[in-house]
Amino acid sequence: ELKVEQNPLFLSMQEGKNYTIYCNYSTTSDRLYWYRQDPGKSLESLFVLLSNGAVKQEGRLMASLDTKARLSTLHITAAVHDLSATYFCAVDKRGGADGLTFGKGTHLIIQP
Amino acid sequence: EPEVTQTPSHQVTQMGQEVILRCVPISNHLYFYWYRQILGQKVEFLVSFYNNEISEKSEIFDDQFSVERPDGSNFTLKIRSTKLEDSAMYFCASSVTRAGEQFFGPGTRLTVL
Repeated sequence: ELKVEQNPLFLSMQEGKNYTIYCNYSTTSDRLYWYRQDPGKSLESLFVLLSNGAVKQEGRLMASLDTKARLSTLHITAAVHDLSATYFCAVDKRGGADGLTFGKGTHLIIQP
Repeated sequence: EPEVTQTPSHQVTQMGQEVILRCVPISNHLYFYWYRQILGQKVEFLVSFYNNEISEKSEIFDDQFSVERPDGSNFTLKIRSTKLEDSAMYFCASSVTRAGEQFFGPGTRLTVL
């Protein structure tokens, strides 16, 4: 059974600081996704990471994937309040399974 | 920009009643999915659908659930006899390819009383 673990599950940080969210998964996968969810809202796709060593950046967010370590990171640079949200990583099992397995999410609060 | 739409946004029903949740995937997408999220918890996969048949389903997707693409645009999730524990947000998603990025709709909040 594929398991996806995120940490931390809750993070409160100040504006201007840097921090990293970690996502570990238990079985081989070549595809990892990061989503953002605002309270009461849907899931917004942030990054799709498709290969080992993939790195993608959008604004203050940067995501990377190490398939050998089964680890992805989401790095936040110089955080701003607007980045406050819950961030989920999700993994697609190798072998063609369709459904994504999500982590529990990291609830991020960025304080002024 | 094309987006996935879902109706209704909120559905309240009595335990034991049937509900149908509706989704309109992005028009050129071929793969369709349902997920649910119980309040405050993680998102859970229910079922995927391609070429008019289920391609994968999770343990949650038991005989009480069914999916259908009744026409060229709608994709529905039916729960035959709702239970209290079916209360959740239900998200529809679609993708162009099987391994492609999945785009999520705004969700339907189902409340079973």
